[in-house]
This record gives sequence, C-alpha cells and structure tokens, in this order.
Amino acid sequence: AQTVTQSQPEMSVQEAETVTLSCTYDTSESDYYLFWYKQPPSRQMILVIRQEAYKQQNATENRFSVNFQKAAKSFSLKISDSQLGDAAMYFCAYTKNNDMRFGAGTRLTVKP
Amino acid sequence: KAGVTQTPRYLIKTRGQQVTLSCSPISGHRSVSWYQQTPGQGLQFLFEYFSETQRNKGNFPGRFSGRQFSNSRSEMNVSTLELGDSALYLCASCQWGGSTDTQYFGPGTRLTVL
Repeated sequence: AQTVTQSQPEMSVQEAETVTLSCTYDTSESDYYLFWYKQPPSRQMILVIRQEAYKQQNATENRFSVNFQKAAKSFSLKISDSQLGDAAMYFCAYTKNNDMRFGAGTRLTVKP
Repeated sequence: KAGVTQTPRYLIKTRGQQVTLSCSPISGHRSVSWYQQTPGQGLQFLFEYFSETQRNKGNFPGRFSGRQFSNSRSEMNVSTLELGDSALYLCASCQWGGSTDTQYFGPGTRLTVL
C-alpha cells in the first residue's frame, strides 16, 4: 500500500526567510502524481503545487518549489520569502488512480 | 466558476443516528471524492464517484456509503453513527478523475457525534 510520511509535525520560520518541509512516500509504481496542499485555519484545502513523477524537472509555483528525488521517494517543499499568510497545515499527498493518500501534515508557523 | 460546495457546514448527531452530507462539484467536473479528517487518523480516502459509479473505495466499514447523481452532485451517508465518526468530511472534485487531474476541495462538513 502506498504510504506518505511527513516527519516534521511542526516547523517554524521567520518572515521573509526560507523553509523546507519534508515528505517521503512508498510506492512500487513508476507513474504517479505528488501534491502539496495547504490547509489554513479555515480548513479549506488549497493546492500549492503538483509534480508528475515522469517529469524530472522540479515543479515551481512562484515562491513555492519542490525537490523531487524519485529514486529516494522524497518530495520536499521549499517556501521562499515566507509570508504571514503561509502559516497553515501543509499536507503532502500521493495519487495513482485518484485514490489520494495524505501524510499526517506539518504545521508551519511564520514569525513576524 | 463557483468552487466546490458542501452542505451542511456543521452537523450534530447522536450515536445510532444516520446522516447525509452533500457535495456539489465545480461545474463541468464529473469526479467527486470524499475524505474523512480526524486528529488521530489524519486525512483518509473514503470513496470516489465518476459518472454515477463508485470507482475507488477506501478502507471504511459498510456504514459509510455514497452516491452520485446525473448532475455530478454527490451525497455521502453514514448509518448507525459512532462517536469515532466525529470528523471533518471533505469532498473534492476534478474533471475526469485520472491521475493527471487536480482535485479541488470544498470547505468541509464538521460532523459531531454525541
């Protein structure tokens, strides 16, 4: 079964600085998709970034980028120039056939 | 386009009762997935519907069921409620439901079982 592990329950970053959230996953598949979702206190899940496993190039969305290491089954999220609005729970997710598996989440605090 | 909507937003039930939650996907989206979020178990996949058919199912007991209508709206039903069913229930929609699709989530229904 596919599992997703986020080893950092909580992370803290100073405003304007950079933080990296870790995620590892387990799968025997070669073609799959990985996502980072953000869940602010409103509880609305918001897509941050997605990565197709067949693409070697790391995905980037403005201040958010990933470091995708397929052989190591690692998918970390880097947030640059952190802003107060980035404070939220961040979930790493894996999907193969629309059966999405989530990690336990990392709570990110941004200090002013 | 309007986002995914879920009704009701909050619900309080007692043990043994049953409950029905509703999800309206983004217009044009035909796939609807349901998730349960609890502090202890995190986010867990319940099931996915596409064109009125259940296509994927997570590891939940038969008390959890769902359906999808011809307009892609979906309902989730939980019978014989237990205290452990207290959770945030999220639905997500996407166009086709394949791996290339991105799921868009609704705001959730907070269910409390007393």
